[in-house]
Amino acid sequence: KNQVEQSPQSLIILEGKNCTLQCNYTVSPFSNLRWYKQDTGRGPVSLTIMTFSENTKSNGRYTATLDADTKQSSLHITASQLSDSASYICVVSADYGGSQGNLIFGKGTKLSVKP
Amino acid sequence: DADVTQTPRNRITKTGKRIMLECSQTKGHDRMYWYRQDPGLGLQLIYYSFDVKDINKGEISDGYSVSRQAQAKFSLSLESAIPNQTALYFCATSDPGQLDTQYFGPGTRLTVL
Repeated sequence: KNQVEQSPQSLIILEGKNCTLQCNYTVSPFSNLRWYKQDTGRGPVSLTIMTFSENTKSNGRYTATLDADTKQSSLHITASQLSDSASYICVVSADYGGSQGNLIFGKGTKLSVKP
Repeated sequence: DADVTQTPRNRITKTGKRIMLECSQTKGHDRMYWYRQDPGLGLQLIYYSFDVKDINKGEISDGYSVSRQAQAKFSLSLESAIPNQTALYFCATSDPGQLDTQYFGPGTRLTVL
């Protein structure tokens, strides 16, 4: 069964600190992996998207890594800011010949950044 | 994202009522989606459409129907609302040229009493 598991479920850090969020998946065949940021009460916003051949991608203070062999991804946030408080969702796309009904969403990690 | 709008933003209704949630986009994307989000759960796909003449069921389509009135408009209907359809509903669009990166609307919070 295709699944995406994220850890931790929630995390509290102090402003200015770094943190790393984890995503493990069992999706096959794999197409790509995305990280989204979802502010409370708003729609998710794409941070990064990585295909099989990519093992790292950055977007400002956000850096995502992908290990397709171990089926793991991480999202590293550097020098956290209060505005980073949000849920971070890992989404894996299965490759079934282009059908886009095959996005598997993780439940998200809720990050709280405290002053 | 103002490129994808949803109406209404909040709705409270009673069991058995028919409800329509509307989505409009100005991104010019052919692909549109409806998702449901429950507390503590991931987003679940209800329906998706790759163009005006294409409608596909997602993983939780029972109790829902959709209409793709134009490239820019995709509506979700609950024919007879029930309390377990209380959730946050998101519309999204995507462009296959961008690896189908999805652009989400602001969401509609629906409460069925």
